[in-house]
Amino acid sequence: DIQMTQSPSSLSASVGDRVTITCQASQDISNYLNWYQQKPGKAPKLLIYDASNLETGVPSRFSGSGSGTDFTFTISSLQPEDIATYYCQQYDNLPRRTFGPGTKVDIK
Amino acid sequence: QVQLQESGPGLVKPSQTLSLTCTVSGGSISSGSYYWSWIRQPAGKGLEWIGRIYTSGSTNYNPSLKSRVTISVDTSKNQFSLKLSSVTAADTAVYYCAREELTGDWRSHYDYWGQGTLVTVSS
Repeated sequence: DIQMTQSPSSLSASVGDRVTITCQASQDISNYLNWYQQKPGKAPKLLIYDASNLETGVPSRFSGSGSGTDFTFTISSLQPEDIATYYCQQYDNLPRRTFGPGTKVDIK
Repeated sequence: QVQLQESGPGLVKPSQTLSLTCTVSGGSISSGSYYWSWIRQPAGKGLEWIGRIYTSGSTNYNPSLKSRVTISVDTSKNQFSLKLSSVTAADTAVYYCAREELTGDWRSHYDYWGQGTLVTVSS
């Protein structure tokens, strides 16, 4: 099975800070990776698909990059409404769907 | 605008079968290149993929749950359903239904989600 890890597990940053989250796969997954934002008590929301494509309607301060086993998710300028937990999710053709453990983002 | 809504009992006894239904509105469950999926999340924990169904009836399940899971679809009602048998306390979670959009090759992502429903397994 493909295992997904994320770091850090949580972070606290100031409004306007650049925030970076990493996601690592246990084997090469090409760019078959999505990123979701989940606010407390809500369903996850798609932000980035195929590692680097911004979902329609999502603010441009969110971005993703990476391929193979190492991926990065960035918020270029943290806003108060970005308080949430962020999950990476891999997919393949077997099919398998695995989510990372999540990164909780707070305002300092 | 597509909307998904989960429904079903919020309390299930151990060893019994959990049954949930997801009603899709704002679009036909039969149209387009979509899989209809179930995902769960224990309190304070991460997300776990349970399985999915295509409107043809083709299903895929998480190997760790496969022996206990059945997903079905009723296109006439624009609904799909989840049955999870022999439940234990470990199956207590918020259960989400979601639409998985296929975008080419086997590329996909979850673009619409239900609000989630809490199912507690307890006697």
